[in-house]
Amino acid sequence: QSALTQPASVSGSPGQSITISCTGTSSDVGGYNYVSWYQQHPGKAPKLMIYDVSNRPSGVSNRFSGSKSGNTASLTISGLQAEDEADYYCSSYTSSSTQVFGGGTKLTVL
Amino acid sequence: QVQLVQSGAEVKKPGASVKVSCKASGYTFTSYGISWVRQAPGQGLEWMGWISAYNGNTNYAQKLQGRVTMTTDTSTSTAYMELRSLRSDDTAVYYCARSGMVVAPTYFDYWGQGTLVTVSS
Repeated sequence: QSALTQPASVSGSPGQSITISCTGTSSDVGGYNYVSWYQQHPGKAPKLMIYDVSNRPSGVSNRFSGSKSGNTASLTISGLQAEDEADYYCSSYTSSSTQVFGGGTKLTVL
Repeated sequence: QVQLVQSGAEVKKPGASVKVSCKASGYTFTSYGISWVRQAPGQGLEWMGWISAYNGNTNYAQKLQGRVTMTTDTSTSTAYMELRSLRSDDTAVYYCARSGMVVAPTYFDYWGQGTLVTVSS
């Protein structure tokens, strides 16, 4: 199972919006509504930000939103804040009943 | 509150085995699954496998088949991950994470603090 494809880095200024893409295949992203997104600050465990493509867990800011079109899922962060600077990973359920992660995207808040 | 508390750091020699534990609290253990995810230094996340705490069903990443075993002890709400025939590229932080469904690993809503496993001669 190949890793999902994410951009290595994205950046934005405070208050702006950014979008991180996550591209897979019809055997993972495109085949199931089980895409999730994780935020990871240095030295910390990942934190669930979005599950089942577009659902936010309790306590996650509504500045974070998720969507999917075909084999590509997207995470959008609006109103960028300094604390959003972190690594972001997408993940998807697969046709083999496994999970596959993306390579990760480093978000820099300028 | 949901908590996953993992065992401490380990240093192992190549060819040895390691067993990491993950004790769950704050929820009904058998109503969810547990996945294991690892992260090599400076690298991304890698899903290793999943076990249903309800019935013990497992599913492992193909690259680790034959070297990894995941188990649970429902009497203590603890999950275990054993990795055998360790190599230097197994050096990583190993995380346990609660999976959103008991029948399949769909997402990971709570994570342990991580356990550093270092493989070195």
